[in-house]
Amino acid sequence: DAGVTQSPTHLIKTRGQQVTLRCSPKSGHDTVSWYQQALGQGPQFIFQYYEEEERQRGNFPDRFSGHQFPNYSSELNVNALLLGDSALYLCASSHDPTDITQETQYFGPGTRLLVL
Amino acid sequence: AQSVAQPEDQVNVAEGNPLTVKCTYSVSGNPYLFWYVQYPNRGLQFLLKYITGDNLVKGSYGFEAEFNKSQTSFHLKKPSALVSDSALYFCAVRAPFSGGYNKLIFGAGTRLAVHP
Repeated sequence: DAGVTQSPTHLIKTRGQQVTLRCSPKSGHDTVSWYQQALGQGPQFIFQYYEEEERQRGNFPDRFSGHQFPNYSSELNVNALLLGDSALYLCASSHDPTDITQETQYFGPGTRLLVL
Repeated sequence: AQSVAQPEDQVNVAEGNPLTVKCTYSVSGNPYLFWYVQYPNRGLQFLLKYITGDNLVKGSYGFEAEFNKSQTSFHLKKPSALVSDSALYFCAVRAPFSGGYNKLIFGAGTRLAVHP
């Protein structure tokens, strides 16, 4: 049973460029959340997707956008990259967010983005 | 506002000794609490969670955590540390009734170093 997968593993971009990161959830999961982990910090919630819609959003600008596909996979897009966007981007998947007793988020290995 | 504090940046322990990694939280209502571990260049791995019930929660790799409502704490423990336990540990909280969504709020992390 494959866990959460993310691609690419590493990425180097320059300021002003745009980037797309991809995530495939764990089998049986229908909810995908994205987190940003800056160096030396804990992950910070960007947004969550369920049934192809953004359900909740953290304190991130509109430059950060996402999408969820019918097969539950997801993309994170960041426009007009800034140096401060350099971080590890983590995708987490889970099942049935309305049943909290069953809910656990499982994380992928992350995509490390470096903006020069 | 919901928050998590991990008061120690680093914890050092000798192999075979018990270990404790501290976590305190601030949230309205009854919290849902999680511990994750992160190895170098890897994503987060789920260790254990407290949702309700017994205050002592047992998780993966021999770890356990004790929920203390009066002290608003959820400390991670292990009776006998292994060198392979050396990693970065994150405590996270999810507030109940947050629209039914499962946004996690993480602490800054505690680096555990187990010495032979």
